[in-house]
Amino acid sequence: GQQVMQIPQYQHVQEGEDFTTYCNSSTTLSNIQWYKQRPGGHPVFLIQLVKSGEVKKQKRLTFQFGEAKKNSSLHITATQTTDVGTYFCATNTGANSKLTFGKGITLSVRP
Amino acid sequence: ETGVTQTPRHLVMGMTNKKSLKCEQHLGHNAMYWYKQSAKKPLELMFVYSLEERVENNSVPSRFSPECPNSSHLFLHLHTLQPEDSALYLCASSRDVSSYNEQFFGPGTRLTVL
Repeated sequence: GQQVMQIPQYQHVQEGEDFTTYCNSSTTLSNIQWYKQRPGGHPVFLIQLVKSGEVKKQKRLTFQFGEAKKNSSLHITATQTTDVGTYFCATNTGANSKLTFGKGITLSVRP
Repeated sequence: ETGVTQTPRHLVMGMTNKKSLKCEQHLGHNAMYWYKQSAKKPLELMFVYSLEERVENNSVPSRFSPECPNSSHLFLHLHTLQPEDSALYLCASSRDVSSYNEQFFGPGTRLTVL
């Protein structure tokens, strides 16, 4: 079935550094959703991308959908300790709004 | 805070116990979901309900039995579980089962099976 891959699973950055992570697929995706899960918390929806090449920004977060709709990126400018958590990408596959999630990348930020 | 509540938040049970997880959404959504989140694994979709009708069952063992009495409530009945069923069980809802709807997750129930 359609899968989305997130590698690596962990990344550590110094506060103030930029951070970029990717979500990749071998097949064309209908959409990409990004979720954030804080430690001990639950996934919270961040953004959805649908169009080829689409770019959306939320404060220090920039999300992009690849031109071929096979990958997506999440870029955080000047990371802060509040950015700590696991970032998941997900895509709708099949019927019934089924979301297939990547394994996520856990970001830690050194103050 | 997201409009989706789950009880209990933590549950420890033996393999011979029967217990139920409860989820309630206050968002007026028509679709509800159960997910399993284990360490080092992606979120796994278990069940999808649309207007109280189960529309997807992702090859989940019969020891997990969902129930959706109305569009606001969702239960997961557990019996004769195995230790490998220990995980965070997340409930979610969305406006409907059409694609491209964001899902709102509850806080989850942390289940430990002894």
